[in-house]
Amino acid sequence: GAVVSQHPSWVICKSGTSVKIECRSLDFQATTMFWYRQFPKQSLMLMATSNEGSKATYEQGVEKDKFLINHASLTLSTLTVTSAHPEDSSFYICSVVGQVNTEAFFGQGTRLTVV
Amino acid sequence: AQSVTQLDSQVPVFEEAPVELRCNYSSSVSVYLFWYVQYPNQGLQLLLKYLSGSTLVESINGFEAEFNKSQTSFHLRKPSVHISDTAEYFCAVSDYTGFQKLVFGTGTRLLVSP
Repeated sequence: GAVVSQHPSWVICKSGTSVKIECRSLDFQATTMFWYRQFPKQSLMLMATSNEGSKATYEQGVEKDKFLINHASLTLSTLTVTSAHPEDSSFYICSVVGQVNTEAFFGQGTRLTVV
Repeated sequence: AQSVTQLDSQVPVFEEAPVELRCNYSSSVSVYLFWYVQYPNQGLQLLLKYLSGSTLVESINGFEAEFNKSQTSFHLRKPSVHISDTAEYFCAVSDYTGFQKLVFGTGTRLLVSP
């Protein structure tokens, strides 16, 4: 299966600052990556679909200007949380769909804490 | 739109005992069903999936799940658990437009004690 690396695994930042989270597909080229968010004791919720070389597609209710997604290469997608606030504290996880499109492979996730 | 309900947030069980983790879903269209497992400090890993065919699907480490369309359920079972099965288990569903957009349940933490 695909190996997906996410960095950092955890980060603490001050309110008002921006945080960048990286998602790398280590062993194959991924034209599409997905970003999920999980609040405590809630489901993982799809935030956006990251498409290589084009604009990301955001799910309803997700602010595209706050959660900037860049998919500049076939192996790297980044999620930048801009002007972070405590309510943005959450677990962010990316996924990549395998080449045969039958399985999603996940990174280990990033726990963001905004203080 | 689909939704997934995992009623049990935590299931404690003794080693070698059987376990069932419940998952119910709702959808107006046909769906694919998945169970993912997350070990501490790791990403989600696919445990098993139902796409079509036999309603009973099995994983390589002894877990099985049965798709029950009439009850809209996809419960996960294992006849004898090990300490190493301690993890968070997520049930997920996607519709026939693709496997990419997964709708997850809230997860069930399986705690296996000696």
